[in-house]
Amino acid sequence: AQSVTQLDSHVSVSEGTPVLLRCNYSSSYSPSLFWYVQHPNKGLQLLLKYTSAATLVKGINGFEAEFKKSETSFHLTKPSAHMSDAAEYFCVVSSAGNQFYFGTGTSLTVIP
Amino acid sequence: EAGVAQSPRYKIIEKRQSVAFWCNPISGHATLYWYQQILGQGPKLLIQFQNNGVVDDSQLPKDRFSAERLKGVDSTLKIQPAKLEDSAVYLCASSLVPGGAFYSYEQYFGPGTRLTVT
Repeated sequence: AQSVTQLDSHVSVSEGTPVLLRCNYSSSYSPSLFWYVQHPNKGLQLLLKYTSAATLVKGINGFEAEFKKSETSFHLTKPSAHMSDAAEYFCVVSSAGNQFYFGTGTSLTVIP
Repeated sequence: EAGVAQSPRYKIIEKRQSVAFWCNPISGHATLYWYQQILGQGPKLLIQFQNNGVVDDSQLPKDRFSAERLKGVDSTLKIQPAKLEDSAVYLCASSLVPGGAFYSYEQYFGPGTRLTVT
């Protein structure tokens, strides 16, 4: 069975400081993992994806994530937060049939 | 490239009424998904179509929810009769192919329909 746990429901950072959003996964085989962002009243947008290639994945808007099999983690990071990064972030693990299992989300607040 | 289209964007109904949502996926995308996102939670898959056939509807409450994808393009999701707990955002997504045993394809999401049941 596949599942993800997002360890923080809310994260607050100051503008210009690093962002860390934590995600642990559970999968019965080598998973595909994704991070999506959801801005208020907008659709979900793909930030990045891991599909068994390089373990360090770079995405849009300066975000990246590292797949660590030994820790079953796929944490999302960004060196410097921008006001426009304030949104809800979802970690996703997929099954062999491309069925997505979403975490409960992390709300990121960026303080000016 | 046009994205996934959904309508309506907002809908308010009374309990026991019926409602329908429409989705038009990205052109050429064979796989279409409907999700339910309750406030404060992540989206939950309701049903997955491959072309016009159902791949998985194990989490669809079939006593009140139904979905179809005629001609393998547009899809409609219907709720009849609605309950208060159906208040949620209903998201439609599509992907180029369903993925295989070792590879998954990203899903592209529409803006969603926010349903309020009173």
